[in-house]
Amino acid sequence: QKEVEQNSGPLSVPEGAIASLNCTYSDRGSQSFFWYRQYSGKSPELIMSIYSNGDKEDGRFTAQLNKASQYVSLLIRDSQPSDSATYLCAASTEGTGGFKTIFGAGTRLFVKA
Amino acid sequence: DVKVTQSSRYLVKRTGEKVFLECVQDMDHENMFWYRQDPGLGLRLIYFSYDVKMKEKGDIPEGYSVSREKKERFSLILESASTNQTSMYLCASSPSDTPSSYNEQFFGPGTRLTVL
Repeated sequence: QKEVEQNSGPLSVPEGAIASLNCTYSDRGSQSFFWYRQYSGKSPELIMSIYSNGDKEDGRFTAQLNKASQYVSLLIRDSQPSDSATYLCAASTEGTGGFKTIFGAGTRLFVKA
Repeated sequence: DVKVTQSSRYLVKRTGEKVFLECVQDMDHENMFWYRQDPGLGLRLIYFSYDVKMKEKGDIPEGYSVSREKKERFSLILESASTNQTSMYLCASSPSDTPSSYNEQFFGPGTRLTVL
C-alpha cells in the first residue's frame, strides 16, 4: 500500500516564527510532490509543487525534497495567524491509467498571535 | 482562474437512495477526480477520468460509479447510499499538457453528504 505520512499535529507556532511541516512517502517511484493548504470547511488549494531534489522557494514558503530519504518538507517563514490551516502533502506516481496522487492525512497548524 | 463547481454544498439522503453528485470545471481540463475526505484518513481517491467516457477506479471504488459524458462534467453516483458513505466529497480537475501539470489538481468546494 503506497502511503504518504504526516504528523497530524496540531503544530503550534508563535506569530513571526518559522513553521516546519514534514512528510514521508513510501513509493520510491513518486515523481511529483505537492503541498496543499486547507482551511476549515474549505477545499484544498495548491501552494507549492516540487519535482527535483533540493529547495524551492516561493515568497514565505520553501519546499524541500530529499528523494534518497523519501522526505518532503514545507517551511513557512514569518508565520501569520492567517496561515492557520491543515496542510496536506501529496505524492504523484505514474501507474496504469496515468499519474496517481496519494495524499497524506494532513498536519494542522496553529499560528498564535 | 480555474473554477470547479459542485452541485451541492450540503446534502442529506436516506439509506438506499440513489445519489448523484455533479462536478463541472470551466478550464477545459482533461483529467477529473472524485475523492472523499474523512477525519484522520485524508483524501482517498474514488474514481478518476482522463478523457470523455473514460474512467479508472481509484482506491475505494466500491459502492460508487461515475459518468463522464462531456469533458467539463464528471458525476459521482452512489447506487444505494449507506451510512458509511457519509463524508465530504471533493471533485478536482487538472490539465494534462505536461506530466507535472497533470498532477496539479484544482479542487471544487466540496459536498458534505450525510446518509441517515
